[in-house]
Amino acid sequence: DIQMTQSPSSLSASVGDRVTITCRASQNIGTYLNWYLQKRGKAPKLLIYAASSLQSGAPSRFSGSGSGTDFTLTISSLQPEDIAIYYCQQSYSNLDTFGQGTKLEIK
Amino acid sequence: QVQLEESGGGVVQAGRSVRLSCAASGFSLSRYTMHWVRQAPGKGLEWVAFISYDGRDKYYADSVKGRFTISRDNSKNTMYLEMNSLRPEDTAVYYCARKDQQLKMNVYYYYMDVWGRGTTVTVSS
Repeated sequence: DIQMTQSPSSLSASVGDRVTITCRASQNIGTYLNWYLQKRGKAPKLLIYAASSLQSGAPSRFSGSGSGTDFTLTISSLQPEDIAIYYCQQSYSNLDTFGQGTKLEIK
Repeated sequence: QVQLEESGGGVVQAGRSVRLSCAASGFSLSRYTMHWVRQAPGKGLEWVAFISYDGRDKYYADSVKGRFTISRDNSKNTMYLEMNSLRPEDTAVYYCARKDQQLKMNVYYYYMDVWGRGTTVTVSS
């Protein structure tokens, strides 16, 4: 199975900060990488697919990059409503796997 | 309105069985592959199972293989997860999710774009 490792596990930043979360795959997955956010008590929500494509309706301050094994989710200017847990997910294999999550908090 | 709604969760004793349902509305289930994803209390997301458009292909996480069975009835616009030999570690919120695809530079990419609210399964020992 493909393992996905995110870093950091938790992150505290101020409103307006640029925030970066990384995700590493245990093998080459091309750009078959998606990002989701999950707010407290809610279902996950798709943010980015194919490593860098912004899902319809997602704010433009979110962007994704990377290919192969290393990927990045960036929030250009952190907003209070971005408090959530962020997950990467690979869709390269038929057995999807998620990263362990990055908890984002506001300072 | 495109949505998924899970049902069937509850408290069940270890070793027993439960069947979850995922009802789709606002779209035709037959046009999408579908997944179950679970989240144990205070933990991250764990992919559980996949089913192809027509139900012929199914894949499972190692943690549930041989105990869980995913199925679908496209005529009812509903997907199911039959969970047998339940263990306390199966305690989780179970989400169903639709997997859509997008053609980008001549390659199809896949992502879970619609999720249900989840149904909670608690396995007591």
